[in-house]
Amino acid sequence: DQQVKQNSPSLSVQEGRISILNCDYTNSMFDYFLWYKKYPAEGPTFLISISSIKDKNEDGRFTVFLNKSAKHLSLHIVPSQPGDSAVYFCAAFTGGGNKLTFGTGTQLKVEL
Amino acid sequence: DSGVTQTPKHLITATGQRVTLRCSPRSGDLSVYWYQQSLDQGLQFLIQYYNGEERAKGNILERFSAQQFPDLHSELNLSSLELGDSALYFCASSGRVTGEQYFGPGTRLTVT
Repeated sequence: DQQVKQNSPSLSVQEGRISILNCDYTNSMFDYFLWYKKYPAEGPTFLISISSIKDKNEDGRFTVFLNKSAKHLSLHIVPSQPGDSAVYFCAAFTGGGNKLTFGTGTQLKVEL
Repeated sequence: DSGVTQTPKHLITATGQRVTLRCSPRSGDLSVYWYQQSLDQGLQFLIQYYNGEERAKGNILERFSAQQFPDLHSELNLSSLELGDSALYFCASSGRVTGEQYFGPGTRLTVT
């Protein structure tokens, strides 16, 4: 049972444009969401998070939007840079819990 | 560099053998998590320790066990290894029982 889903295994974007990565979840008990970036041969790197009491969180070029009614979140990267090319994982957990549930990831390629 | 270290980086062993993976969390972090990433799979949560005590269990096989020592480093023991245990094993740490987790570079286990 995949409780966190990233339905697009890959995404290609031109440098300078916006990258939008999507994530859907099924467990209504999730109340804290995170995005991680992963380069080959490295561990995931924490990018940005959002609590379910918010609908938007911004950090530099990265913005995460949460739509609780649709059980959907998205990560926007503006402007996209070649160094952003990586696999992006969406993850979620319940505030009282400690088990992070990850999506299967989206490979982002930012082209020159 | 996340501050989380894992050794060894690579491990090749035969079916039926036992191996130990080691993780040192970021300085001051009390929580340690173990994850498995198999080919084409997302990260699967295995187990969490907080200040030496087991706090949460995920899809961890009975052949696998872990512990966290007084100096807060952790070891993941995998026994009676099978071909299907070949995967990347990541350790992560956080400063609280829940919250953002910071990942090590992983140990790539190959069972032949």
